Amino acid sequence: KAGVTQTPRYLIKTRGQQVTLSCSPISGHRSVSWYQQTPGQGLQFLFEYFSETQRNKGNFPGRFSGRQFSNSRSEMNVSTLELGDSALYLCASSLGTSGRAEQYFGPGTRLTVL
Amino acid sequence: AQSVTQLDSHVSVSEGTPVLLRCNYSSSYSPSLFWYVQHPNKGLQLLLKYTSAATLVKGINGFEAEFKKSETSFHLTKPSAHMSDAAEYFCVVRGGTSYDKVIFGPGTSLSVIP
Repeated sequence: KAGVTQTPRYLIKTRGQQVTLSCSPISGHRSVSWYQQTPGQGLQFLFEYFSETQRNKGNFPGRFSGRQFSNSRSEMNVSTLELGDSALYLCASSLGTSGRAEQYFGPGTRLTVL
Repeated sequence: AQSVTQLDSHVSVSEGTPVLLRCNYSSSYSPSLFWYVQHPNKGLQLLLKYTSAATLVKGINGFEAEFKKSETSFHLTKPSAHMSDAAEYFCVVRGGTSYDKVIFGPGTSLSVIP
């Protein structure tokens, strides 16, 4: 079974631009979560989607948004990029949203904002 | 509210000696607990999880962890370190409901000295 895939793997943008990252979950997984990983803040939860509905949201500004499609694929969008948005963005999928459900992570998208 | 503390930001052991990575958590509900490993430039891999079954949990690559409710701890151990164990380790807590967010600890960097 193919793992979680994320595209693109690397991105370079300039301040003020917007960016869209894509995540394809493991086949059969209906829950997708997004995380931001930085050296200073560690791994922080962005949001979680299940069956095209946002179930949970972390403490990030409204510039960060996401969505999930009927095939469970998910995208996250960051508008008006800031230097501090430079990070590794990780996507994780799981079968459901139960607290017991283990998450499987993709390799991440490395975003650099200049 | 939930939180997780990893008591050591960095641990260094000699190859062949035991590994102990410490994790303490706080949760209002009966939590699910996970340990993930992240090798350099790679995604996160699940090592093991606790979900209210056996308190001693065995994971991959010889790792295991013991859930101690009285101490609110979930320490990760391995009897004999291998060079390939050098990586970043994350303790993760999630509450019992699907509305509980996933909280990552700050991580412990494990170095293995030959």
